[in-house]
Amino acid sequence: NAGVTQTPKFRVLKTGQSMTLLCAQDMNHEYMYWYRQDPGMGLRLIHYSVGEGTTAKGEVPDGYNVSRLKKQNFLLGLESAAPSQTSVYFCASSQPRGAYEQYFGPGTRLTVT
Amino acid sequence: AQTVTQSQPEMSVQEAETVTLSCTYDTSESDYYLFWYKQPPSRQMILVIRQEAYKQQNATENRFSVNFQKAAKSFSLKISDSQLGDAAMYFCAYRSAYSNYQLIWGAGTKLIIKP
Repeated sequence: NAGVTQTPKFRVLKTGQSMTLLCAQDMNHEYMYWYRQDPGMGLRLIHYSVGEGTTAKGEVPDGYNVSRLKKQNFLLGLESAAPSQTSVYFCASSQPRGAYEQYFGPGTRLTVT
Repeated sequence: AQTVTQSQPEMSVQEAETVTLSCTYDTSESDYYLFWYKQPPSRQMILVIRQEAYKQQNATENRFSVNFQKAAKSFSLKISDSQLGDAAMYFCAYRSAYSNYQLIWGAGTKLIIKP
C-alpha cells in the first residue's frame, strides 16, 4: 500500500496564478483532510471531507476550494494564489471509528512569489 | 475552545538517554483522544502513540510511552534509549470524542539527539 500520496511535492507560483493539489489514498478511508503548516505553528485545517461528494470548511478555508469526486481522491485548489498562501500543505485520511487516527501524506511545499 | 500547549520549543538529549516532552491541554470535555506525531526532516507526519482519555493505563509503543495525567490535563511523551533517528519535530494533538474531524495541534517541540 502506498498510503497517502500527494502531487506535486514542490511548486512555485506567481501571485494570481491558480493550481490544484492532488491527494490520493489507497486505504479506503472515508474521511480526508487538507492542512497547512507554517513555521512555528501546528497544523491548521483548511477543508475536510467525510465522504465522496461531501466537503466542509475547516479553520482557515478562505482562498481555497476542494472537491471529492472519488472516495480515494481529495483535491485542493487555489484559484488566485497569494504570498500568504506560501506554506507546506498536508493531506490526511482516517476511518470514522475509534480514535479516527489520521494518516498523512508527505506534504507539498508551495511558494507564491 | 480546546487548546494544546507545548511549552518546550526545543529539547536536546544525549544518544541512548531518556527524554520527556511536555504537552498540556485545556478542555471541559471528559471524553477525548490524545496523540503524539513525529515529523522528521523528510516532513512526513508519523503517528507515534495515542491515548484514549477513558483509559487509565498509559499507552506504550516500544521505546515510546506517555504519562497521561487527566486531572492535570497533561500528556507527556517519554522516549527511552534515544536514537539518532528520533531527531524530529514532535507534535501533540487533541481530538474531542464529540468531533469527527477536528484535531487541535500544539506548536511542536524540536528534539535534537547528540551523538
